[in-house]
Amino acid sequence: NAGVTQTPKFQVLKTGQSMTLQCAQDMNHNSMYWYRQDPGMGLRLIYYSASEGTTDKGEVPNGYNVSRLNKREFSLRLESAAPSQTSVYFCASSATLGSDTQYFGPGTRLTVL
Amino acid sequence: LAKTTQPISMDSYEGQEVNITCSHNNIATNDYITWYQQFPSQGPRFIIQGYKTKVTNEVASLFIPADRKSSTLSLPRVSLSDTAVYYCLVVDAGNMLTFGGGTRLMVKP
Repeated sequence: NAGVTQTPKFQVLKTGQSMTLQCAQDMNHNSMYWYRQDPGMGLRLIYYSASEGTTDKGEVPNGYNVSRLNKREFSLRLESAAPSQTSVYFCASSATLGSDTQYFGPGTRLTVL
Repeated sequence: LAKTTQPISMDSYEGQEVNITCSHNNIATNDYITWYQQFPSQGPRFIIQGYKTKVTNEVASLFIPADRKSSTLSLPRVSLSDTAVYYCLVVDAGNMLTFGGGTRLMVKP
């Protein structure tokens, strides 16, 4: 039982490049989330998926797209990376949406040059 | 969005009780208030969750007044391993999940 896994762990991009961050959970959770955490700051919600087949914008969705591929997987795509997107990205899952306990992955550290 | 406010940092000594308060206005009436702990280079980890009054588990207590405009995480007898950043998480009236800015707790020997 791995919980929430994220790939890659580290990534360096040049401005304008694209990439997809992968997230998978094996807890049979309905809801999944993507957050970003800038250095020394709290977490901000980018997108979330209440259940398979649905996605919604969070607090800071601009510059990102998401796909809920199936119940297990939720990916985050940067179409044209910008230096302002340099951050640590965390994926999380919970049984249901809202204040249900969230389980977080180890994070992806992204640097955009 | 709900505005959540936490102290940026706190210092304590081993064996002391630490109380960290999060102020939050405009939160949803039916959702829990949750606290997480985060160590460097790791994702946040659930500590405790409550709706009203007081909740206690094996690691912490959570105090929530009747108006739910704040919540206080209480860590009894902290140790060096409790050095971490602590976040409150609320659901605002628009059903948006909002983390507080985090409180960096330093426990000294």
